[in-house]
Amino acid sequence: DAKTTQPPSMDCAEGRAANLPCNHSTISGNEYVYWYRQIHSQGPQYIIHGLKNNETNEMASLIITEDRKSSTLILPHATLRDTAVYYCIVRVPSNFGNEKLTFGTGTRLTIIP
Amino acid sequence: GAVVSQHPSWVICKSGTSVKIECRSLDFQATTMFWYRQFPKQSLMLMATSNEGSKATYEQGVEKDKFLINHASLTLSTLTVTSAHPEDSSFYICSARTPGLAVEQFFGPGTRLTVL
Repeated sequence: DAKTTQPPSMDCAEGRAANLPCNHSTISGNEYVYWYRQIHSQGPQYIIHGLKNNETNEMASLIITEDRKSSTLILPHATLRDTAVYYCIVRVPSNFGNEKLTFGTGTRLTIIP
Repeated sequence: GAVVSQHPSWVICKSGTSVKIECRSLDFQATTMFWYRQFPKQSLMLMATSNEGSKATYEQGVEKDKFLINHASLTLSTLTVTSAHPEDSSFYICSARTPGLAVEQFFGPGTRLTVL
């Protein structure tokens, strides 16, 4: 699996856009970029994933650079409930559903009132 | 999205006893479930991959005789911590994916185990 690098922590003002970067310079052509987050003392929550095109859903947007060596997760209007550890993971999804996810240390995002 | 539950949400036990943690996929069938462990201020570490109807695959360094995994049905996997010791105190989390329909994994809420 490609290794990812994320800043250990970030702060963002409530109501502003939170931009979380992730470097994955060794990503291979068939690896997807996944983002999960973990609120304190809860299980991780899936946010979004993408291969090479930018993606948007009700939670966030994912911007992947053209060379796919980095990506940015954007929470457009951060709220206090977005305070969590955010994990960027790259992986080839399995058609059998048995692929393993390797969690790094993630970015601890703190939303400031 | 799909829902995964865990029971119990927290448990306290005495050293030397065994504890069983259940992981259920509530609205989908999961041929594969995963068990993670998370120590305070650390990231999730995969312990094992649980396959329905077959033996689990354990990650390097995880004792299969201590952490017994049973995946008896498409909606239930259990993790039994045998002869628990204080160093087994941790946050145990399961996840599941439904093959063919989505690529994301769905995680349970976790079980906090404290061994006295």
